[in-house]
Amino acid sequence: EAGVAQSPRYKIIEKRQSVAFWCNPISGHATLYWYQQILGQGPKLLIQFQNNGVVDDSQLPKDRFSAERLKGVDSTLKIQPAKLEDSAVYLCASSFQRIQETQYFGPGTRLLVL
Amino acid sequence: SQQGEEDPQALSIQEGENATMNCSYKTSINNLQWYRQNSGRGLVHLILIRSNEREKHSGRLRVTLDTSKKSSSLLITASRAADTASYFCATDPNTGNQFYFGTGTSLTVIP
Repeated sequence: EAGVAQSPRYKIIEKRQSVAFWCNPISGHATLYWYQQILGQGPKLLIQFQNNGVVDDSQLPKDRFSAERLKGVDSTLKIQPAKLEDSAVYLCASSFQRIQETQYFGPGTRLLVL
Repeated sequence: SQQGEEDPQALSIQEGENATMNCSYKTSINNLQWYRQNSGRGLVHLILIRSNEREKHSGRLRVTLDTSKKSSSLLITASRAADTASYFCATDPNTGNQFYFGTGTSLTVIP
């Protein structure tokens, strides 16, 4: 069974630029999550999708971050414009149904904002 | 603030020894999960314990949950160098749809 795929693996941009991350969850997984992990901290849940609907985005900075999951499969997370404090690893995860279940994580995208 | 806090922040042991790390959380939960993260990689699920369970085993892992104290512990027996990683607890509060990871315990197992 293929795991969660993410791209790119690394991205370096300057502040005020925009960036997008892509995630392909495990086939058949209804729930998809985006996390932000700042160095030395645990992951913080930004947004959770159930199929193509948003279940929770209470910790997503909506003035600059947006995410979508078209057709209930792949998802993209966008930052526009980026700030220095957005430097982090962005992790995508999926689970079969709901958040109470085991989550399977992708390798993450390491973002550096200069 | 995050739901879970791990203790200790860092732990260094000799191969073969046991490692114990603790997690405390703030509100009532549906379940608690433990994840491992190797340096520069994604997280791997280790074990899930539900709020009505007190202890669970998986291979060399033993997890306990005390809902009255809002705490959990992860014990790794007979540690190996390959166990070197960061370990995170994660909680699913029984209100809302959020999911909180703690700050993690960095474990180093010396060969």
